[in-house]
Amino acid sequence: AAGVIQSPRHLIKEKRETATLKCYPIPRHDTVYWYQQGPGQDPQFLISFYEKMQSDKGSIPDRFSAQQFSDYHSELNMSSLELGDSALYFCASSPPLHLRELFFGEGSRLTVL
Amino acid sequence: GQSLEQPSEVTAVEGAIVQINCTYQTSGFYGLSWYQQHDGGAPTFLSYNALDGLEETGRFSSFLSRSDSYGYLLLQELQMKDSASYFCAVRVNTGGFKTIFGAGTRLFVKA
Repeated sequence: AAGVIQSPRHLIKEKRETATLKCYPIPRHDTVYWYQQGPGQDPQFLISFYEKMQSDKGSIPDRFSAQQFSDYHSELNMSSLELGDSALYFCASSPPLHLRELFFGEGSRLTVL
Repeated sequence: GQSLEQPSEVTAVEGAIVQINCTYQTSGFYGLSWYQQHDGGAPTFLSYNALDGLEETGRFSSFLSRSDSYGYLLLQELQMKDSASYFCAVRVNTGGFKTIFGAGTRLFVKA
């Protein structure tokens, strides 16, 4: 069965640079979520999209932005990177009207040097 | 705001039973989920309770009491591969659905 695809899996950037993470949800899933997980931390909700519109916002810095495109894939753009942005970034998706389960991708590990 | 509390760490032996508790304070509550995460891996869904009571899925069971804002995950016949972090997470609707995770409980299973 198709899963959530994230790219790149690993990314190394310098401080003040920009990074873009991509997420391809499971086909026919209409909702996408982004989470940030630091070492030893719980996944922190950043932002979500439903039917290509932003549906909720969590602890996402102003330096970050995201969008969901017409094919339902989503991109998380991070600018002016800081050392503290080093983390695992997970994308998750859920199908229409589905309250139970989030399906997570394998994550993108961002390292800021 | 939303807050969840669960123990940071639990240790048990193979074959034993362990219960991981979770209390929450939240608005727009829809249900309580449990996720398992191995080091470096993605969270994977274990269970979801929207109504009071016990849900059983194989060796794992989950319980919810909405009136007490409390739930637990019960793992039976523990195996070494169950060593992982377990997150309780609330499904809420505050203008849009989202899932908020607790800090996680690190389970160590010993031989």
